[in-house]
Amino acid sequence: DAGVTQSPTHLIKTRGQQVTLRCSPKSGHDTVSWYQQALGQGPQFIFQYYEEEERQRGNFPDRFSGHQFPNYSSELNVNALLLGDSALYLCASSPGAGRSTEAFFGQGTRLTVV
Amino acid sequence: AQSVTQLDSQVPVFEEAPVELRCNYSSSVSVYLFWYVQYPNQGLQLLLKYLSGSTLVKGINGFEAEFNKSQTSFHLRKPSVHISDTAEYFCAVTLYMDTGRRALTFGSGTRLQVQP
Repeated sequence: DAGVTQSPTHLIKTRGQQVTLRCSPKSGHDTVSWYQQALGQGPQFIFQYYEEEERQRGNFPDRFSGHQFPNYSSELNVNALLLGDSALYLCASSPGAGRSTEAFFGQGTRLTVV
Repeated sequence: AQSVTQLDSQVPVFEEAPVELRCNYSSSVSVYLFWYVQYPNQGLQLLLKYLSGSTLVKGINGFEAEFNKSQTSFHLRKPSVHISDTAEYFCAVTLYMDTGRRALTFGSGTRLQVQP
């Protein structure tokens, strides 16, 4: 089992650009959540997807958007990048309703905005 | 809304000494509680979780935590640490809701530095 995989591992973008991060959930998991972890801070919840729809959202602007595909993989898109968007972006997957209480995290994508 | 406070940003300790990492939470409803560990340049790994039942929870790598409802605390302990325990530790809570689909609220983390 490959676990949760994220790509790319590192990324450098310029202010104002757009970026797409990708996540493949652990086998058998249908729910994907995204978190932003700024340097020296704890992860902050961005949003969660299951059944191909955004189900919950944290306190993040509309510049942050996402998508979930029929195979449960997910993308996080960030438009009009700001320097403050520099962070480690973590994807977590879980098996879905009534099945488990544990979220499994990927290794993250380190985004640097210059 | 729920919140988590980790009272110590850094905890230095000598190898083979005991350690306690403190976590307090705030919520008006029942919560689930978690401790995660993050090694450098890696994602988060679950150490242990409290859902219900016994207030003393045992996890991986010799760690344990005790849920104290009256003090709204969930402190992490290990009786004897190793150099390899050096990492960032995060306490997290989530509302008692739809199992398997929950958003986690994390504390700001505690850096455990184990010295030889």
